[in-house]
Amino acid sequence: SQKIEQNSEALNIQEGKTATLTCNYTNYSPAYLQWYRQDPGRGPVFLLLIRENEKEKRKERLKVTFDTTLKQSLFHITASQPADSATYLCALDSSSGNTGKLIFGQGTTLQVKP
Amino acid sequence: DAGVTQSPTHLIKTRGQQVTLRCSPKSGHDTVSWYQQALGQGPQFIFQYYEEEERQRGNFPDRFSGHQFPNYSSELNVNALLLGDSALYLCASSLSIGSGYTFGSGTRLTVV
Repeated sequence: SQKIEQNSEALNIQEGKTATLTCNYTNYSPAYLQWYRQDPGRGPVFLLLIRENEKEKRKERLKVTFDTTLKQSLFHITASQPADSATYLCALDSSSGNTGKLIFGQGTTLQVKP
Repeated sequence: DAGVTQSPTHLIKTRGQQVTLRCSPKSGHDTVSWYQQALGQGPQFIFQYYEEEERQRGNFPDRFSGHQFPNYSSELNVNALLLGDSALYLCASSLSIGSGYTFGSGTRLTVV
């Protein structure tokens, strides 16, 4: 069956360092992958979408890579700040197409210490 | 620019009761999806509505039903509530499939 895995353990890093979060998937050939940020008690906020034919995408201090051979996406936050502390979710379309039915990972909590 | 609006924000219901949650999508968005999020887990897809029809459905029982109105707003109904239905219910809207979704802040449902 389809499965998405994110590091369940919280990631603790020092302010100014680069945070790297991992999203692995099995039994998928997704057309795209999305990353969201979620703060406690709030809904997820869309950050980036990367398509299967894109290797890398950047937005300000954020960078996402998508390796369809390894079935893995890496999410990087450079020059991290305490305000970046949150849970980060990756999501894939449930099929190889474009149904809009997103399957989410369980999320990785990032804690940036000043 | 108003994003996705959900109501109510919190709700406490008794086991066996029925509940209706409401969602107004972001202006210009025509597709609405509903998700259930248990504590410490990622959101789970319930169903998606487009042009007032259910287009996609996740692995949820028929106790979960929905509706989309001509103005694109949507309702999620849950019948015969179980304790396990306690969760954060999220509504998300998008302009098109394959683009990022805008989520509301959710409705926290507690079943006692």
